[in-house]
Amino acid sequence: QKEVEQDPGPLSVPEGAIVSLNCTYSNSAFQYFMWYRQYSRKGPELLMYTYSSGNKEDGRFTAQVDKSSKYISLFIRDSQPSDSATYLCAMNLGGSYIPTFGRGTSLIVHP
Amino acid sequence: GAVVSQHPSWVICKSGTSVKIECRSLDFQATTMFWYRQFPKQSLMLMATSNEGSKATYEQGVEKDKFLINHASLTLSTLTVTSAHPEDSSFYICSASPGLGNYGYTFGSGTRLTVV
Repeated sequence: QKEVEQDPGPLSVPEGAIVSLNCTYSNSAFQYFMWYRQYSRKGPELLMYTYSSGNKEDGRFTAQVDKSSKYISLFIRDSQPSDSATYLCAMNLGGSYIPTFGRGTSLIVHP
Repeated sequence: GAVVSQHPSWVICKSGTSVKIECRSLDFQATTMFWYRQFPKQSLMLMATSNEGSKATYEQGVEKDKFLINHASLTLSTLTVTSAHPEDSSFYICSASPGLGNYGYTFGSGTRLTVV
């Protein structure tokens, strides 16, 4: 079992839909959780980071962490074609510098 | 915000030659940088952790003599692919964090290496 599981997709949705992207993990010691967006042939861009359980909102994006279930989510409201990209979740142990990444979910938002 | 600059963005080289990729943190000091390799439609594969002033730590299966890493200052790490072969063709990305790893990692824009 991988430490971080993420469905690679692709996930195809119509413009304006609410998108839910998810990751599960096995290491209960993870403390910090991140979501990255990666456009084709570009480096990943940090979207959000959260500490421990709870929700964090930033514009159209909401990150949710449920440590009891070892499950994290990223919600995108009013999705746009420009949101089409690969979304990677990542997490680390806090004191450790090395994050563990999911394999990424490919999202396609069609007009 | 934290900015990481990576150069070149793409490079084509002949088999047997060496290629150097630079990763710079522009507005923060990074004692630790990371080098990743990414194959098409695959996630990031950590190659090595670059530590300023000391030897890099390589992940299992990564040839340290082929992928030379130098982290000579708090803002610059370099990855040199030595004696490149076509199988080294890939997307290489560096990253760093301005904090103790808890504030999210900033990535460079990546370098697409093609060995012909």
